[in-house]
Parts: sequence; C-alpha cells; structure tokens
Amino acid sequence: DQQVKQNSPSLSVQEGRISILNCDYTNSMFDYFLWYKKYPAEGPTFLISISSIKDKNEDGRFTVFLNKSAKHLSLHIVPSQPGDSAVYFCAAAVIYNQGGKLIFGQGTELSVKP
Amino acid sequence: NAGVTQTPKFQVLKTGQSMTLQCAQDMNHEYMSWYRQDPGMGLRLIHYSVGAGITDQGEVPNGYNVSRSTTEDFPLRLLSAAPSQTSVYFCASSGGSGANVLTFGAGSRLTVL
Repeated sequence: DQQVKQNSPSLSVQEGRISILNCDYTNSMFDYFLWYKKYPAEGPTFLISISSIKDKNEDGRFTVFLNKSAKHLSLHIVPSQPGDSAVYFCAAAVIYNQGGKLIFGQGTELSVKP
Repeated sequence: NAGVTQTPKFQVLKTGQSMTLQCAQDMNHEYMSWYRQDPGMGLRLIHYSVGAGITDQGEVPNGYNVSRSTTEDFPLRLLSAAPSQTSVYFCASSGGSGANVLTFGAGSRLTVL
C-alpha cells in the first residue's frame, strides 16, 4: 500500500506557463512534506518543503500548498522554464526533524517545452 | 566538500553473488538511508540509521543487510543477489536542524543477471 501517491506519471507544459504537480497521502501521522527534483543519472535534490502546521510555502518560482483535510499537496512552478524538465518526487515524514525515513511517491516527469 | 559518495556507480552481478554498495558522507550527519528507484515505484526506503550502531528496516528490507560502525559510512550488503534486485540505489544523509532534508548521492546502478 502506497502511503504517498503521485497519480500523474507525466506532465507537459509550455514554457512560461504554470506547472502544477499533485501528491496525495494516506497516513494522517505525516507532519512534514518535501518536494525533490531529479535529473537523469543524478541523485534527487531538495526543492521545497512544508510543515503540517502551514498551508503554503513559497520559494521564488516554487510554491507548495498543503490541504490536510484532503490529504493533498501540490507544487506550483510559475513561470515554468525548460530547465525545470525533470522528475519530481513528493515525500513525507512522520516525525518532524528526525531524519533518515522519508516516504516517497512514484514521481511525476515534467517536460517544459520551449 | 564531497557530500554523499557512492561506489561503485555501475555493477553487474550474477544471481547468487554477493556484493557491498559503499556509501560515505563527510557532513557529520547522524541520519543515513538507502533507497532503491524502480520504474513506476518511485524511491523506496530499504534501511536507515539514526546514528552509529543503530539501524532499522524501511519499506523493502528483504535481501539486504546494513551496518553503521562509524558516522561517516553506511554500506549496503546484498548477500545473494536476485534479478529482482536490479535497480538504481541511492544513499542519503541528513542531520542537524534540517534532519528531514536528505542529501542524496549520485546513485549506483546494479544489474543482476
């Protein structure tokens, strides 16, 4: 049973438009959520995170929204750039600031076309 | 500043062979983890460690052993490789005030024939 789910394997967006990547989770004990970005042949790199006590966190072009009642989070990228083309993973943690044990979704491959 | 270093980058094994994937970090992080990435499955946690001498199982631990004798190193052992263990393996570490933010290595691609 997948506790963190990304139901869209791929997403294609035009350069300059908004990219919205979605993630659902089932475990109500998750209290910290993260997004990672992964290029081919590289390890994932941290992008942005949000604590369960917030509903929005913004960092430049990237904004993460959390809807706890729906157990849903989303990543918005505005404006999208060709360099944003990568696989995006959402991840969740049960215990805030106890590391090592993130649960990841399946990933969504974003393609931003010029 | 090397971060998280994994060796080897590529390995081909025959079924039944054993091997160790090495992972070292130079950030003095207390937490270290091993993940495997498979198509359509995302990143799945194999084993993790919250400090030297302390390890625990993740989502898919069967067929893998780990130990953590030092803060820096967290090797992953395959005792008898199976084709189902063909995957890309990532080691990660975290610590301090950003303990939930894992720093990943570049990955080790393993093929079991």
